Amino acid sequence: AIRMTQSPSSLSASPGDRVTITCRASQDIGSYLAWYQQKPGKAPKLLMYAASYLQSGFSSRFSGRGSGTDFTLTVTDLQSEDFATYYCQQYYSYPRSFGQGTTLEIK
Amino acid sequence: QVQVVESGGGVVQPGGSLTLSCAASGFTFSSFGMHWVRQAPGKGLEWVTFIQFDGGNKHYADSVKGRFSVSRDNSRSTLHLQMDSLRPEDTAVYYCAKDGSDYGVWIDSWGQGTLVTVSS
Repeated sequence: AIRMTQSPSSLSASPGDRVTITCRASQDIGSYLAWYQQKPGKAPKLLMYAASYLQSGFSSRFSGRGSGTDFTLTVTDLQSEDFATYYCQQYYSYPRSFGQGTTLEIK
Repeated sequence: QVQVVESGGGVVQPGGSLTLSCAASGFTFSSFGMHWVRQAPGKGLEWVTFIQFDGGNKHYADSVKGRFSVSRDNSRSTLHLQMDSLRPEDTAVYYCAKDGSDYGVWIDSWGQGTLVTVSS
């Protein structure tokens, strides 16, 4: 099974900041990576797929990069609505696996 | 718009069984794969199972293999998760989720979840 590791587990930032979350796969997954955003008490939402494609409805302040084993999610000019938990997920093979999540908190 | 609505959650004793259902609307259900994903209280997301658009292929997490069974009724746009031999560690919100394709890629839509509590 492929293990997905995110860092950091939590992150404090201020509105207007730029932050980067890292996701590492235990083996090469090409670009078969998705990112999800989850707010407290709500279902997750698809944020990005194929590592760098932004899902409709999300701001271009979000960007994704990477392939193989190392991936990043960057958010620029943080807004209040961006404070949430973010998960990466590989869909290269079964069983599918998620990272443990990164909680982005307001400083 | 795409909508998936879970039902069937509740409290069950260890060793018991429960069946979750998911009613889908707003898309051609028979053309898309479907997943179940769970989230234990205060924890992260855990993928549980996937069923291909026609029910032909199914995949399970090791933690539920042999105990859970996924099925679908394309005539009724409904997804099911039969859960047997339930354990306390199965306690979680279970999300029904739509795949972005027929064969399995990213998850592009999620339900609101149904809570399953395994406790004596």
